[in-house]
Amino acid sequence: SQQGEEDPQALSIQEGENATMNCSYKTSINNLQWYRQNSGRGLVHLILIRSNEREKHSGRLRVTLDTSKKSSSLLITASRAADTASYFCATSIIQGAQKLVFGQGTRLTINP
Amino acid sequence: DGGITQSPKYLFRKEGQNVTLSCEQNLNHDAMYWYRQDPGQGLRLIYYSQIVNDFQKGDIAEGYSVSREKKESFPLTVTSAQKNPTAFYLCASSIQRGETNEKLFFGSGTQLSVL
Repeated sequence: SQQGEEDPQALSIQEGENATMNCSYKTSINNLQWYRQNSGRGLVHLILIRSNEREKHSGRLRVTLDTSKKSSSLLITASRAADTASYFCATSIIQGAQKLVFGQGTRLTINP
Repeated sequence: DGGITQSPKYLFRKEGQNVTLSCEQNLNHDAMYWYRQDPGQGLRLIYYSQIVNDFQKGDIAEGYSVSREKKESFPLTVTSAQKNPTAFYLCASSIQRGETNEKLFFGSGTQLSVL
């Protein structure tokens, strides 16, 4: 099964509301990253949080990491129609090959 | 402009045919990756390379091959042995810092379909 699993799989909210997406993982990590993908395009890196960090901000984005629960959340505040996209978490695992493992993503729709 | 370029954007494969997807980067990154994305799914790693003339299999390498003769280039060949090649293929690159994976820069993808 996937190392990272996002919840919910799909989220639909009104413009101006906040959107929260969650990611859970199984093995120890050295960092966790969030990416955004518009339909039919490549992924764009949003934010990276290291295992010794608990919270990080970037503009309207807020990411938290709880290594004891092996979970992370991405909060987008004051959502805009342009935020409509799929959001993926990716974990950099400590053991094994040096690679990022992606979750299956949350499809976010912002309704005007 | 610095970035990572994939071509073609759309590619069609006939049964029994090998096809090659191009990926070029001018970011001076050491590490390059190929991912496969099926509709509504996450990304699965096919191959990756951390240095020129070296590469490793990812989770779904069967039916694919790669080369890394130059730092800038990491082409992916989808061979006839790959029985279900229809997917969106994404190439990425990153700075390699020891054991840690830093952020990935992605190309815009190639949609491969079977005729």
